[in-house]
Amino acid sequence: DAGVTQSPTHLIKTRGQQVTLRCSPKSGHDTVSWYQQALGQGPQFIFQYYEEEERQRGNFPDRFSGHQFPNYSSELNVNALLLGDSALYLCASSRLALNEQFFGPGTRLTVL
Amino acid sequence: SQQGEEDPQALSIQEGENATMNCSYKTSINNLQWYRQNSGRGLVHLILIRSNEREKHSGRLRVTLDTSKKSSSLLITASRAADTASYFCATDAGGNKLVFGAGTILRVKS
Repeated sequence: DAGVTQSPTHLIKTRGQQVTLRCSPKSGHDTVSWYQQALGQGPQFIFQYYEEEERQRGNFPDRFSGHQFPNYSSELNVNALLLGDSALYLCASSRLALNEQFFGPGTRLTVL
Repeated sequence: SQQGEEDPQALSIQEGENATMNCSYKTSINNLQWYRQNSGRGLVHLILIRSNEREKHSGRLRVTLDTSKKSSSLLITASRAADTASYFCATDAGGNKLVFGAGTILRVKS
């Protein structure tokens, strides 16, 4: 049983560009959450998707958007990249009725 | 912003010793979870304790929760070099939205 997978592993972009990160949840999971982890800090909640809808959102600007597909996989899009967007982006999947979340290995985004 | 704080920020112990990490939080919660992270990679779920529980064990891990003090502790007994990692507590006030602390960096020397 594959766990949560994320792609790509690493990504380098320049300021002003746009980026799309991808996540495939663990088998049987219907909810995907995205987190941003800056260096030396704990992860911060970006948003959560369930039934292809954004269910909850953290304190992130509209430049951050997402999507969930019918197969429960998800994308995180960031527009107009800033240097401060450089971070590890983590995807977590769960079943809505259960609390335990399983995290993927993350995508390290560097904005130059 | 972070929900709470872990204490200490960093901890260095010898193999075989016990490691204790503390976590404080600010709001009411449904549950509190502890995660481990190795070298800036993905988070590994360690243990979940619900708000109506006071103590929980899993292998060499012992977690306590005091909702009156809004605090939790993670005890790792008989530590091993492989336990070297960053440890995070995360609170869930409902809806599986986790709010993390800044973490404790644990180094176990062999």
